[in-house]
Amino acid sequence: EPEVTQTPSHQVTQMGQEVILRCVPISNHLYFYWYRQILGQKVEFLVSFYNNEISEKSEIFDDQFSVERPDGSNFTLKIRSTKLEDSAMYFCASTNTRSSGGNEQFFGPGTRLTVL
Amino acid sequence: AQKITQTQPGMFVQEKEAVTLDCTYDTSDPSYGLFWYKQPSSGEMIFLIYQGSYDQQNATEGRYSLNFQKARKSANLVISASQLGDSAMYFCAMREDGTGGFKTIFGAGTRLFVKA
Repeated sequence: EPEVTQTPSHQVTQMGQEVILRCVPISNHLYFYWYRQILGQKVEFLVSFYNNEISEKSEIFDDQFSVERPDGSNFTLKIRSTKLEDSAMYFCASTNTRSSGGNEQFFGPGTRLTVL
Repeated sequence: AQKITQTQPGMFVQEKEAVTLDCTYDTSDPSYGLFWYKQPSSGEMIFLIYQGSYDQQNATEGRYSLNFQKARKSANLVISASQLGDSAMYFCAMREDGTGGFKTIFGAGTRLFVKA
């Protein structure tokens, strides 16, 4: 069964450093997403991406964040200068349709980011 | 205003009994989808069940069923014959088809504890 993969599973970084979180969505999917979940809290939408551009972003997704689909398979989230409050689980998701009709977003296993 | 409300932060159920996890939502979009995800302690997001706003029948997937009451804007998850492995965090979520980004909005979650 196809699945979304994410690397690394756990990333530890120093405050102020840049991190890149990587995702490989399901191959025939067209819509890509990043979510984050601060420990013990709900999952929050960060950004959606379609046709090589951002479709929508939340207020969390400020200038420190960027996304890219550098090739046909990878989808990356970059945080330019990490802050302590960026520590969270980051989930990548993908879907193959713009409609919610029966097609859930497939989530990756997540990358746990720890900023020291 | 909260789009997705889960009023039960924690629930206990005896093994083999049924349990209902509550979810109410708020949207003005006529076309939307409702989802339930399970998040075990390992952290991954596991899709359980989907209900479309135009679906006439309540969704069922094995031991999971969704009690969809459109007029009341509720989408409660019913787990029948609870198992110890059902102990986890459960998130209700919604996608509004009218929004450009097709993001999924999550509730705060309900932590389910299944007792032996």
